[in-house]
Amino acid sequence: QVVLTQPPSASASLRASVKLTCSLSSGHSFYTIAWYQHQTEKGPRYLMRIDSDGSHTKGDGISDRFSGSSSGAERYLTISSLQSEDEGDYYCQTWGTGTQGILFGGGTKLTVL
Amino acid sequence: EVQVVESGGGLVQPGGSMRLSCAASGFSFKTYAMSWVRQAPGKGLEWVSGVSGSGGKRDYADSVKGRFTISRDNSKNTVYLQMDSLRAEDTAVYYCAKDTSYDCSDLDSWGQGTLVAVSS
Repeated sequence: QVVLTQPPSASASLRASVKLTCSLSSGHSFYTIAWYQHQTEKGPRYLMRIDSDGSHTKGDGISDRFSGSSSGAERYLTISSLQSEDEGDYYCQTWGTGTQGILFGGGTKLTVL
Repeated sequence: EVQVVESGGGLVQPGGSMRLSCAASGFSFKTYAMSWVRQAPGKGLEWVSGVSGSGGKRDYADSVKGRFTISRDNSKNTVYLQMDSLRAEDTAVYYCAKDTSYDCSDLDSWGQGTLVAVSS
């Protein structure tokens, strides 16, 4: 059974960059994942899908400040030129054989200092 | 413009039932799978259930299997979540989301959510 692991928190300064990590469990490094942003009182927002080779497809209207990459069992979301409105919770998610439907990671709470 | 709008939440007693609805527009509804995802107070996102575009394939999280039933009416562009034998731990904001494909994968459009509170 696949497991997605995310650090519970991250922080970075205004106008800096931050790289959030989603780790796939052993034996599942080939899985495609998706990243979401979730802010208080809003529905989650789809950011992008990232394949095992690092290629990514963004959701409609997602800023160029958001990019994705991959290395082995790690999937990354990089946010550049951080703005205060980027604060929120970021979740990775996967699907397919070994997930029984859809699986979310525990989420990372991003604070912009 | 793609829109999904949930309705039907509220307060229900433990052991009770509730049906959530999700009205979708702006896309070819029958072409895409739909899912329900919830967030309990202070917790992360938890996928609850998903249904394929035709309605022929339904999946459930272990936490709700046997108690919740997902269905869809492609003539009404609506997906439903029938929740029976509700427990306090089912208290959450429930989101409806459109998948990017015919079967469950990633979810590219979400509603604002509807709150379900299970309490006596």
